[in-house]
Amino acid sequence: AQSVTQLGSHVSVSEGALVLLRCNYSSSVPPYLFWYVQYPNQGLQLLLKYTTGATLVKGINGFEAEFKKSETSFHLTKPSAHMSDAAEYFCAVSGSSNTGKLIFGQGTTLQVKP
Amino acid sequence: GAVVSQHPSWVICKSGTSVKIECRSLDFQATTMFWYRQFPKQSLMLMATSNEGSKATYEQGVEKDKFLINHASLTLSTLTVTSAHPEDSSFYICSARVQGGVVTTSTDTQYFGPGTRLTVL
Repeated sequence: AQSVTQLGSHVSVSEGALVLLRCNYSSSVPPYLFWYVQYPNQGLQLLLKYTTGATLVKGINGFEAEFKKSETSFHLTKPSAHMSDAAEYFCAVSGSSNTGKLIFGQGTTLQVKP
Repeated sequence: GAVVSQHPSWVICKSGTSVKIECRSLDFQATTMFWYRQFPKQSLMLMATSNEGSKATYEQGVEKDKFLINHASLTLSTLTVTSAHPEDSSFYICSARVQGGVVTTSTDTQYFGPGTRLTVL
């Protein structure tokens, strides 16, 4: 079985500050990990994904995430927050079989203060 | 590329009626689409996996007779909420799986539609 835990349902940062959104996973097989962003009343947009290879993954809009197997973590970071980054962020792990099913974390709301 | 659309974007219906939601992959073919349900301020819950040309696979606890899924072509899947009730009010989101090459793996990426807001009065 696989699961995802996002620590902190709500994160607030000042514009220009570092963004850190935490994600820990549980998986009995090598995980494939994803970060998605959701703006109000919209679907999800893929920020980045880790499959294999380099553990530091760079995504769109200046976001990146590092896969740390020893810590079972896949935290999302961005050096400098913009107002436009305010949204809901979801971490997900793919299913253990070849179904492509995604298991989502609970989500983290990012608030960016001016 | 990899754009997924949903129609309608929002719908209001009376209790007891049926509502059909369409999910289309606009610039790629998707043998697999997924349907999710999202309650306010909550995460996405997978309802079912829709495979082109075959019956959908429903997650545990999802009523297959209430949520009818049809995936008749490589670019279209539909979700029909039958005999809708107020508790079915929710945000429904579909995704389409882009599969690369001959061998499909779970690394293939899902692209999401913009969602459909269903309100049942």
